Amino acid sequence: EAQVTQNPRYLITVTGKKLTVTCSQNMNHEYMSWYRQDPGLGLRQIYYSMNVEVTDKGDVPEGYKVSRKEKRNFPLILESPSPNQTSLYFCASSNDRGRNEQFFGPGTRLTVL
Amino acid sequence: DQQVKQNSPSLSVQEGRISILNCDYTNSMFDYFLWYKKYPAEGPTFLISISSIKDKNEDGRFTVFLNKSAKHLSLHIVPSQPGDSAVYFCAASETNFGNEKLTFGTGTRLTIIP
Repeated sequence: EAQVTQNPRYLITVTGKKLTVTCSQNMNHEYMSWYRQDPGLGLRQIYYSMNVEVTDKGDVPEGYKVSRKEKRNFPLILESPSPNQTSLYFCASSNDRGRNEQFFGPGTRLTVL
Repeated sequence: DQQVKQNSPSLSVQEGRISILNCDYTNSMFDYFLWYKKYPAEGPTFLISISSIKDKNEDGRFTVFLNKSAKHLSLHIVPSQPGDSAVYFCAASETNFGNEKLTFGTGTRLTIIP
């Protein structure tokens, strides 16, 4: 089954404790993105990757890191999480330079205390 | 600065009637527009898209209209069904960015009343 998977689905952590949210897709897509969804703000892009070892900042990259060492994986790293990073995070992938639909993962709800 | 706006946070429609969801944008460089649908506890799923060279695109019960001069697009669902109850996001992109970057609106929660 074609899908984007994210882990964990739910995470409660404390300020400053490094964490990684994994994202994996099995559709051989070149393009992958991370978004955060906040009330009243919609989905905002954090980082995206056009291919292996090629990443770029989205609208709200501060406080996040990503890596793209393999085509299928695109982890999101929070080196020192803060409460303002409490949010719902979505990973997405697509082909054809994103012009076709992006396939989204199920989301990761992160709470930073 | 919200470049893509959905001014109606919620909308209720009787089953079988037409649902019209609206979206406005401010960036004249946007040239590709998409609608996504989101159920609770799931990620958004692609619904329909339209290029700026068109003013209408239809897919079954779903039609998207684009008015470039007004910087406005709308999604029509006819007839509305209970399974259409969800949050709908419009999104826009610029060709210059290769469409890797989508700018989303804040979403409209559609409730279909049986």
